[in-house]
Amino acid sequence: QSALTQPASVSGSPGQSITISCTGTRTDIGYYNFVSWYQQYPGKAPQLIIYDATYRPSGVSDRFSGSKSGNTASLTISGLQAEDEADYYCNSFTTSSTVVFGGGTKLTVL
Amino acid sequence: QLQLQESGPGLVKPSETLSLNCTVSSGSVSTGDFYWGWIRQPPGKGLEWIGTIYNDGRTFYNPSLKSRVTMSVDISTFRLSLRLTSVTAADTAVYFCARLGSGFGDLRSWGQGTLVTVSS
Repeated sequence: QSALTQPASVSGSPGQSITISCTGTRTDIGYYNFVSWYQQYPGKAPQLIIYDATYRPSGVSDRFSGSKSGNTASLTISGLQAEDEADYYCNSFTTSSTVVFGGGTKLTVL
Repeated sequence: QLQLQESGPGLVKPSETLSLNCTVSSGSVSTGDFYWGWIRQPPGKGLEWIGTIYNDGRTFYNPSLKSRVTMSVDISTFRLSLRLTSVTAADTAVYFCARLGSGFGDLRSWGQGTLVTVSS
């Protein structure tokens, strides 16, 4: 299985909105809404911020939102804050009952 | 809040077997449908899914690791286990255990991770 495709890096200024894309195929993102997003700080475990493409776990800021169209899922962070600077990963369930991750995106808050 | 803690040797020799355990606290392992996963992250690199195991013992593995991986779960002791055989330097990584919310990839709770280095 091939990894999902994410941009290596994105950046934005405080208060702005940014979007991170996650592109898969018709056998993963394109088939299911089982896409999740994770935030990871250096040296820490990832934290789930979006599941089932658009849902936020309790306790996660509503500045984080997810969407999906076709084979591509997206994570949008609005009202960018310094604390959002981290690595972000997507994953998806596949038609083979496996899970595939994206390569990760480093978000820099300017 | 569920807590997970990985444990095992931090150093494994090439060609040997990597064995890790994950202890789950808060006592919510034994009831209902739960799904557990192992994920790894080589130093400075991205996350790689290793596999998922259900409470009934069904397993699903990353095709690239399938021939070398075994996952198990012991409900009586709230412990998950991972075995990876014939390791090489490419298996050097931080290994995480996690609980899934469903069986479909949403990793809800994570352990802190444990670094395993493969070296002679």
